Amino acid sequence: KAGVTQTPRYLIKTRGQQVTLSCSPISGHRSVSWYQQTPGQGLQFLFEYFSETQRNKGNFPGRFSGRQFSNSRSEMNVSTLELGDSALYLCASSLAGADFGGFGANVLTFGAGSRLTVL
Amino acid sequence: ILNVEQSPQSLHVQEGDSTNFTCSFPSSNFYALHWYRWETAKSPEALFVMTLNGDEKKKGRISATLNTKEGYSYLYIKGSQPEDSATYLCALQNAGGTSYGKLTFGQGTILTVHP
Repeated sequence: KAGVTQTPRYLIKTRGQQVTLSCSPISGHRSVSWYQQTPGQGLQFLFEYFSETQRNKGNFPGRFSGRQFSNSRSEMNVSTLELGDSALYLCASSLAGADFGGFGANVLTFGAGSRLTVL
Repeated sequence: ILNVEQSPQSLHVQEGDSTNFTCSFPSSNFYALHWYRWETAKSPEALFVMTLNGDEKKKGRISATLNTKEGYSYLYIKGSQPEDSATYLCALQNAGGTSYGKLTFGQGTILTVHP
């Protein structure tokens, strides 16, 4: 069974540019969530999608956006990059209690991450 | 703002030692408490998820307990091995409303096991 796949793994951008990161979840997982990790910070929740709908969003500026497609693949976009956006971006997929209408203890399976460096 | 606190921040032990870490969280609106292990250059990997007060889970030499009334969970490692070296993360999942799909992670405990 294939795991969670994130692309690209590494990328370097300059301030003001925009970036799109992709995440393919485990087959059958309908929930995809995104987390940011920066040095000194724990994993910070960005947003979560379930069946193409954003169910929840963390405390990040509007420059951070995402979407989910009908095959559950998800993308996140960061526009007008700032130096502080340099981070490891982790995607995680979950069954999210698929047997319970999308609720339940959603154990996360993480991808390897996309490491973004903004110069 | 939800605060999930983990202690200690880091821990160095010798091979064979037993060790434990703590995760503290607000007990209101609790749904589930997760533990993840994050080894260097790998992805975080789920260890346990616990939902009921008094829950105890075990996986090999690693076990965890949960007290939702007082808002804490312990993770125990018996007879630590160098391969146990990793960052151990706990994460709180709150019930319903605006908490769907969101885990709030602690800062983690970095464990180093010396041979």
